[in-house]
Amino acid sequence: DQQVKQNSPSLSVQEGRISILNCDYTNSMFDYFLWYKKYPAEGPTFLISISSIKDKNEDGRFTVFLNKSAKHLSLHIVPSQPGDSAVYFCAASYNQGAQKLVFGQGTRLTINP
Amino acid sequence: GAVVSQHPSRVICKSGTSVKIECRSLDFQATTMFWYRQFPKQSLMLMATSNEGSKATYEQGVEKDKFLINHASLTLSTLTVTSAHPEDSSFYICSAWGAGELFFGEGSRLTVL
Repeated sequence: DQQVKQNSPSLSVQEGRISILNCDYTNSMFDYFLWYKKYPAEGPTFLISISSIKDKNEDGRFTVFLNKSAKHLSLHIVPSQPGDSAVYFCAASYNQGAQKLVFGQGTRLTINP
Repeated sequence: GAVVSQHPSRVICKSGTSVKIECRSLDFQATTMFWYRQFPKQSLMLMATSNEGSKATYEQGVEKDKFLINHASLTLSTLTVTSAHPEDSSFYICSAWGAGELFFGEGSRLTVL
């Protein structure tokens, strides 16, 4: 049972435009969500997170939106840059900042020059 | 920043042999580390939680006798895949919390022939 789902395996965006990566979850007990970026042959690196008490968190070019009623979150990257090309994973946990994470399948983002 | 290092990054072994993967927190102490496995085009799946000085906690469906975890010190956890078979071929990643953030190792790609 996939509790965290990223339904788009890949996404291609023009450089300078907005990239929107989506993530859905099924477990209403999740209350902390994170996005990770992963390059080939490397471990994931933390990008941005959001607590369920918020509906938006922004950090530079990265903004995460959370819609609890729809059990949906999205990551917006604007403007997109070639260095953003990577696989993006969303993850969720049960307790605020808890250590066990449940990951989505990942979305491969390609930024075209 | 905090760093988690894995070794080896790649290993090829014959079916039936055992393989040990090391996960080290380089500049912080980690009482808890996590081991994940990722099959191609799938999400990172938590295998077990490694606890320093005590037994690991395994996720449902993960064979504890096959995937031996030892967390003998605050900076080192090891995962041993015993009697490896081709279906154990995967990308294994460890993680640990440091300074309020979850850091991942670079991952270890295991190929069992």
